[in-house]
Amino acid sequence: DADVTQTPRNRITKTGKRIMLECSQTKGHDRMYWYRQDPGLGLRLIYYSFDVKDINKGEISDGYSVSRQAQAKFSLSLESAIPNQTALYFCATSSRPGTEAFFGQGTRLTVV
Amino acid sequence: GENVGLHLPTLSVQEGDNSIINCAYSNSASDYFIWYKQESGKGPQFIIDIRSNMDKRQGQRVTVLLNKTVKHLSLQIAATQPGDSAVYFCAENTGGTSYGKLTFGQGTILTVHP
Repeated sequence: DADVTQTPRNRITKTGKRIMLECSQTKGHDRMYWYRQDPGLGLRLIYYSFDVKDINKGEISDGYSVSRQAQAKFSLSLESAIPNQTALYFCATSSRPGTEAFFGQGTRLTVV
Repeated sequence: GENVGLHLPTLSVQEGDNSIINCAYSNSASDYFIWYKQESGKGPQFIIDIRSNMDKRQGQRVTVLLNKTVKHLSLQIAATQPGDSAVYFCAENTGGTSYGKLTFGQGTILTVHP
């Protein structure tokens, strides 16, 4: 089983719908992240959490919200999806500052 | 704001050649750098890292060089193979008040021709 699991892997949704992307990890890491990837661009940070009680906005948090339900679970929500939120979304975890982040396989989201 | 960027968006090489992928960063407070490889349909995978107190680090067929004077990072892949074809990202760990947030560069597409 993968250390970082994202569900769903693919999703098509309509404009205005609420959608939740889920992430769970078995690495026991405190730190979790949500990134967005668009063609020709690097990964941009949406939100990050350094422990269950710590939630921080990244560089592109507008239109998104997150919930850290437990150390192992970090979900990303789009309250009212819009077409320019069509992208590849990645969840990642790390153990502490100055260490590598481990990524999930990604969720491909299409908003029509 | 400060960010990480790449000089070359695409790089094509012949199998067996050495590849060099470059990255410029602007945050002088960054203290840790990582290179990731992303294959089609997959999440980024760790290749090699380097801390700011080092200039060079070697792995299996890969070497990362860090030049703090000019804020430049490079990834060298020796004897490049078709399986090395992927998108390569550099990422920097911002220290200080950002306490460990990774910021990614744009990415370089490496294509290896047989």
